[in-house]
Amino acid sequence: GDSVTQMEGPVTLSEEAFLTINCTYTATGYPSLFWYVQYPGEGLQLLLKATKADDKGSNKGFEATYRKETTSFHLEKGSVQVSDSAVYFCALRGGGFKTIFGAGTRLFVKA
Amino acid sequence: DAGVIQSPRHEVTEMGQEVTLRCKPISGHDYLFWYRQTMMRGLELLIYFNNNVPIDDSGMPEDRFSAKMPNASFSTLKIQPSEPRDSAVYFCASSLAGADTQYFGPGTRLTVL
Repeated sequence: GDSVTQMEGPVTLSEEAFLTINCTYTATGYPSLFWYVQYPGEGLQLLLKATKADDKGSNKGFEATYRKETTSFHLEKGSVQVSDSAVYFCALRGGGFKTIFGAGTRLFVKA
Repeated sequence: DAGVIQSPRHEVTEMGQEVTLRCKPISGHDYLFWYRQTMMRGLELLIYFNNNVPIDDSGMPEDRFSAKMPNASFSTLKIQPSEPRDSAVYFCASSLAGADTQYFGPGTRLTVL
């Protein structure tokens, strides 16, 4: 079945460092891909998405490109801030209405 | 616009008691999802509804768990009897058919003593 694998955390960075969180997926067909973010004490919220190969999703300085050839959707940000500290979830939605979430990667950004 | 509303935000109960969690989806959304989040197991989909009808309940862990959606604006997740291993954060989410994005509520943190 469909699945999502993302890098284990926690990831600890200093402010203004470059961020990459790896995500790979297994799916039949052409799924939509997402990154959700969960801030402490809150529910998940959509950060960005891409619906077809080579699409780039972007929001709040974060970017991810849908790479069908490598089945990947890595999250990147050029300069992280303390306020980016959160848990990041990679996810996919295939043909049905279930969204498959990865295990989440916790990011700590130090001032 | 009001987002997904969940109540209560926190619930502490004793083992064996009945627990009812409530969710109000975003108006107009026709899909509703219940998730459970724990440190050990991450985010798990328990059940989801379309137009108030349960579509997939394969994630419901045991018969002690049940969910209903009597109308388009209200859903409940009930645990009877509750056990300490049910302690988790329970999220409700809703979405619109044809749209990819799910909108999550703030969650209910359940502690079973």
